[in-house]
This record gives sequence, structure tokens and C-alpha cells, in this order.
Amino acid sequence: AQSVAQPEDQVNVAEGNPLTVKCTYSVSGNPYLFWYVQYPNRGLQFLLKYITGDNLVKGSYGFEAEFNKSQTSFHLKKPSALVSDSALYFCAVRDKNQGGKLIFGQGTELSVKP
Amino acid sequence: GAGVSQTPSNKVTEKGKYVELRCDPISGHTALYWYRQSLGQGPEFLIYFQGTGAADDSGLPNDRFFAVRPEGSVSTLKIQRTERGDSAVYLCASSFDRAGSGTEAFFGQGTRLTVV
Repeated sequence: AQSVAQPEDQVNVAEGNPLTVKCTYSVSGNPYLFWYVQYPNRGLQFLLKYITGDNLVKGSYGFEAEFNKSQTSFHLKKPSALVSDSALYFCAVRDKNQGGKLIFGQGTELSVKP
Repeated sequence: GAGVSQTPSNKVTEKGKYVELRCDPISGHTALYWYRQSLGQGPEFLIYFQGTGAADDSGLPNDRFFAVRPEGSVSTLKIQRTERGDSAVYLCASSFDRAGSGTEAFFGQGTRLTVV
């Protein structure tokens, strides 16, 4: 069965500092991995994805994520956080061999203080 | 519009009533997904359509839930005999996707269903 774990309910960082939001996954086959962001009263917005190739992927708003197959992780990172990055972040996985279903983690609330 | 559109944005219904939630996907997107999101939780998969057919309905919680996509575009999620536990935000997403591809899904704003 597919599953995603986001071990931190909340991450607090100061503006200008680097941020990391953690994600680990479990699939029986090879994964596609995604990060989405949800602002208050708004829908989920796609940030970035890992399909194949380079383990470091870059996405919207300066975010990047590193795929680590041995650790089954896909942590989201940004070198310098902005107050406007404060939102709810979701990691999701799709098994390449099991159709289109996306499985989401529980979400991590990121709070960036000035 | 260019995005996924869901109507209504809010729906309040009495326990035991029937409700329909509508999703208009992005034009040309072949895949359509329904998810349910409860407060403080991640989206929970309900059903996935590829064209007109339900490719995976393993997430539907019971037979009170049903979804259709008769022409391969608009989809309706139908809930019979609603219960208070059905209260949640129902999210729809679409993608230009064939099964097993890495295309990302685009989400609508959701319908907030409240059963009183």
C-alpha cells in the first residue's frame, strides 16, 4: 500500500533563514513525488514534482526538493524563507504502476516570522 | 475560466438529504479526481476517472457515495442519505494524464459540505 508521512505538524522559521519540510513515502513500485501548497481558503497549488532523472528538482517560488531513494524521502527546501511562504504544505506520491491515484501526507504548517 | 471550477462553493444540508457536487475540469484534461479533506487532514482519495469511466473507485467510503462523468468532462459527486460525518471539503482535480504518467493534477477551490 502507498503511504506518505510528514513527521512535523508545524515548522517555524525566521524570515531569511533556510527552511526544510520533511516527507517520507512508501510505495511498492517506483514513485512519482509531488509537493503542493495550500493557502487559507484557497485550493491546492502545485509546487514541484520528481518524475525521473536529477534527484534535485526545482519548482515555483524558489522551492526545491531532493529525492533520496535509499531513504525514501522527498524533503522540500528553500534557501531563504519569506513571510509569504507561510502556508500548509502537502507531500504526495503516485505509484507509477498503479494508475493516477495520488496519496497525500497529513500536511505541515509552515510559519515564517519576520 | 482556465482552472478547475467546483460548484457550489458551500453547501449546508440536513442529515438524511441527498446532495450533488459538481466539477468542471480544465478543458482537454482526460483525468479527473475527487478527494475529501477533513479539518487538519490531508486530502483523502475518493475516485479517479480516465475519460468517462471510473478507473479507480477504491476510495469511496460506502455505497452512499457515487460519481459520474457521462461525457468525459463535467463530473458530479453524489451523496445519498447524508450523515454528519460526511461534512468536509470535497476537492476536485484534473490532469492531462494517462494512467501511470507523471503529470501533475490541478485542483479546484473545493466545495465545503456541512451536514447539520
